[in-house]
Amino acid sequence: AQTVTQSQPEMSVQEAETVTLSCTYDTSESDYYLFWYKQPPSRQMILVIRQEAYKQQNATENRFSVNFQKAAKSFSLKISDSQLGDAAMYFCAYRSPSGGSNYKLTFGKGTLLTVNP
Amino acid sequence: DTGVSQDPRHKITKRGQNVTFRCDPISEHNRLYWYRQTLGQGPEFLTYFQNEAQLEKSRLLSDRFSAERPKGSFSTLEIQRTEQGDSAMYLCASSLAGLGVNEKLFFGSGTQLSVL
Repeated sequence: AQTVTQSQPEMSVQEAETVTLSCTYDTSESDYYLFWYKQPPSRQMILVIRQEAYKQQNATENRFSVNFQKAAKSFSLKISDSQLGDAAMYFCAYRSPSGGSNYKLTFGKGTLLTVNP
Repeated sequence: DTGVSQDPRHKITKRGQNVTFRCDPISEHNRLYWYRQTLGQGPEFLTYFQNEAQLEKSRLLSDRFSAERPKGSFSTLEIQRTEQGDSAMYLCASSLAGLGVNEKLFFGSGTQLSVL
């Protein structure tokens, strides 16, 4: 079974600065998908960024980018120019394509990000 | 498109009571998922529907749990004889199949269950 580990329970960053959240995963599969989700106090999980394992290029979405190291099974999220609205719980998640075509995700325990003004 | 709706937002019940939660997915979405999130943990997969068919159930879903999606639209999750260990947030999510890598999962805001 796949596992996802987020080793940083909490992180803090100054507004406008850059922060990196860490994620490692364990899998024997060669093809899979990785995600970062944001869960603000409203509790709704919001997709931040997605990476397909077969793509060597790191995904970027505006101020959010990832550093995907397939051999090391590492998938970190970099938030540039941090804003107060970025404060939330961030979850790293894994999706296996081998379990059929459904969208079952395995999540890490999350990292609580605080943004200081 | 009003997003995924869940009702109620909060539920407090006494141990041994039955509870039922409702999820209304995005209208054209044919896939619906239930996840459970306990304090300090990420969401864990419970079950999955494609249209009205329940195609997968996690081992986390004991015999006291039952989920239905009778007409392939809204879904209900019932917990019978609740236990304190059932206290968690129950998240519903939906997606539209057939989009391959472009398929995206949309989550609701969850139902927070507290069993006293």
